[in-house]
Amino acid sequence: DTGVSQNPRHKITKRGQNVTFRCDPISEHNRLYWYRQTLGQGPEFLTYFQNEAQLEKSRLLSDRFSAERPKGSFSTLEIQRTEQGDSAMYLCASSSNAGQANEKLFFGSGTQLSVL
Amino acid sequence: QKEVEQNSGPLSVPEGAIASLNCTYSDRGSQSFFWYRQYSGKSPELIMFIYSNGDKEDGRFTAQLNKASQYVSLLIRDSQPSDSATYLCAVNKQGGKLIFGQGTELSVKP
Repeated sequence: DTGVSQNPRHKITKRGQNVTFRCDPISEHNRLYWYRQTLGQGPEFLTYFQNEAQLEKSRLLSDRFSAERPKGSFSTLEIQRTEQGDSAMYLCASSSNAGQANEKLFFGSGTQLSVL
Repeated sequence: QKEVEQNSGPLSVPEGAIASLNCTYSDRGSQSFFWYRQYSGKSPELIMFIYSNGDKEDGRFTAQLNKASQYVSLLIRDSQPSDSATYLCAVNKQGGKLIFGQGTELSVKP
């Protein structure tokens, strides 16, 4: 499988619980992005990595959210003390040609989070 | 003002017609422009990208860019029911991250 892989596909949790999502990018891609998408909206940028370095975090990302990419390969996104407003599709994307005009992002299937 | 703006639709066209999807952006420093297609419940899929002013054609799809007007469009010729989806316009700001519009829902009626 040469695409971006995300796990789990669906996650249902109770408010206040912690959740963690995993993303495995396309193997030769050095950039990895996390986006969040709610119904009727476009994907909203959360954060991105180049290799293992986290280069940018959205101002919208509260301190309950943390992301890691420890070996420059897979990445995890953790949400602590989940709130109902965190319910969304969490999308991971990877790319090569980092920072160049022809950089193209390829998305995984996403993790649908429902906070009850 | 949103950084990338699209009409949310829905845009309804008959099968075989030309569908025209529009997008405006606010940052004049934006370098490249992308169109993604997203079927309901699925993730975005890249269908077109354009960097230079003018038109770029790929099969039934044509992307148009006018940097002076900060305007990007996507034309779909000979629209098919299978083209029914949400079309997302995305702009690459310097540094690499994509900023997305809210998407335009397209419905192609048989």
